[in-house]
Amino acid sequence: DAKTTQPTSMDCAEGRAANLPCNHSTISGNEYVYWYRQIHSQGPQYIIHGLKNNETNEMASLIITEDRKSSTLILPHATLRDTAVYYCIVRVDNFNKFYFGSGTKLNVKP
Amino acid sequence: KAGVTQTPRYLIKTRGQQVTLSCSPISGHRSVSWYQQTPGQGLQFLFEYFSETQRNKGNFPGRFSGRQFSNSRSEMNVSTLELGDSALYLCASSWGLAGPGEQYFGPGTRLTVL
Repeated sequence: DAKTTQPTSMDCAEGRAANLPCNHSTISGNEYVYWYRQIHSQGPQYIIHGLKNNETNEMASLIITEDRKSSTLILPHATLRDTAVYYCIVRVDNFNKFYFGSGTKLNVKP
Repeated sequence: KAGVTQTPRYLIKTRGQQVTLSCSPISGHRSVSWYQQTPGQGLQFLFEYFSETQRNKGNFPGRFSGRQFSNSRSEMNVSTLELGDSALYLCASSWGLAGPGEQYFGPGTRLTVL
C-alpha cells in the first residue's frame, strides 16, 4: 500500500551533501510528504515535511517538484551519524496512518 | 520535555500466550499510533487512538487490539501469539488534530515469540 518509491540504497562521502530522491506520482492535492529516518532499529526520527513549497530546518531541506510527483531530501553536510534508513511517506488524509515503504539505506562513508 | 516511552523494551513469550505492551505519549499529545516492524514486511500500521477512540485501523487480524486511557496512555494486546508476531512494536504520538503534524516515535518493544 505504500505510495512512494525510493532507491534501495545510496552512498555518500562524509561532508558532502546527500540527496535522497522519492517518487510519489499518485499524491493527492491535500497530502503532505514526510521524511523520517531510522537508525539501527531505534524508533523512526522525524526529519521534515512539506506540502508544495520547499522547506528547510536545522536537519535538512526538502525540495518538492512543481507537479508534486517527486521530492528530494537534502542533508547538506552528511556525517557518519547520518547513516540510516530514510523513509519518504505520503500522509493519508488528516489522520496519523503512515505507510512506510522500504526506504533508502544511506551509507555515509569517511 | 520527555519523549515517547514504551514498556517493556524487551519481551519473550511462547506461542499461544498473550502480551500487553504499553506506550506513554509526549505530554499533551492525544493521538497514539502503533506500528509493527519485521524484516520481511517492514513498518506496518496497526491502529491509531485519539481521545480514547480507535480512529484508524490497519490490516491486522483481530488478535491485535488496543485501547487508550483518559491520560492518553495506550496499550496494545496480542492474543494467541504466533511465531510471526515476533517483531519490533513501535508507538508514536502526536497532537492528533487536523492538518499536518509530526508523529514522534518511541524506542519500541522488541517481542520474541518462541
